[in-house]
Amino acid sequence: KAGVTQTPRYLIKTRGQQVTLSCSPISGHRSVSWYQQTPGQGLQFLFEYFSETQRNKGNFPGRFSGRQFSNSRSEMNVSTLELGDSALYLCASNVWAGANVLTFGAGSRLTVL
Amino acid sequence: AQSVTQLGSHVSVSEGALVLLRCNYSSSVPPYLFWYVQYPNQGLQLLLKYTSAATLVKGINGFEAEFKKSETSFHLTKPSAHMSDAAEYFCAVSAGGSQGNLIFGKGTKLSVKP
Repeated sequence: KAGVTQTPRYLIKTRGQQVTLSCSPISGHRSVSWYQQTPGQGLQFLFEYFSETQRNKGNFPGRFSGRQFSNSRSEMNVSTLELGDSALYLCASNVWAGANVLTFGAGSRLTVL
Repeated sequence: AQSVTQLGSHVSVSEGALVLLRCNYSSSVPPYLFWYVQYPNQGLQLLLKYTSAATLVKGINGFEAEFKKSETSFHLTKPSAHMSDAAEYFCAVSAGGSQGNLIFGKGTKLSVKP
């Protein structure tokens, strides 16, 4: 059973650009969550999607957005990149039933220059 | 509101020694608690979870954690450290009403000395 797949694994952007990150959940998992991990702030929740609908959103500016497709794959987008957006972006999938746990992907490491 | 505090950003033990990583939580509802491990350049891997069943939870790789409501703690232990246990460990609490929204502690980096 394939795990959570995130692409790209590494990318470099410059300030002001935008970036799109992709996440393919485990087959059968219908919920996808995104987290930002930085040395200073640690792991912070970005948003959660289920059945193509955003269910929860963390405390991030509107430059951060996401969506989920009918096949449960998800993308997140960051517009007008700032230096502080440099981070490891982790995607996690969940079946969405009972006391489930999140299965994380390896992450997409974004560097903003 | 839920929160998690991990005491000690770095812990160093000798191979074969007891591993104890501390986690205290704050939750307005009965919590779901988790320990995750992260190896360099990888995502997070679940070690164990507490979901209001047994208070002593056994996980993978010989780790276990005990839920103590009176102390609001969920410390992670392993009787004998192995070199391969060197990693960063995160305690997390479910934010309530959402399985996908976990609140993580700042993490504890475990070093294992030969």
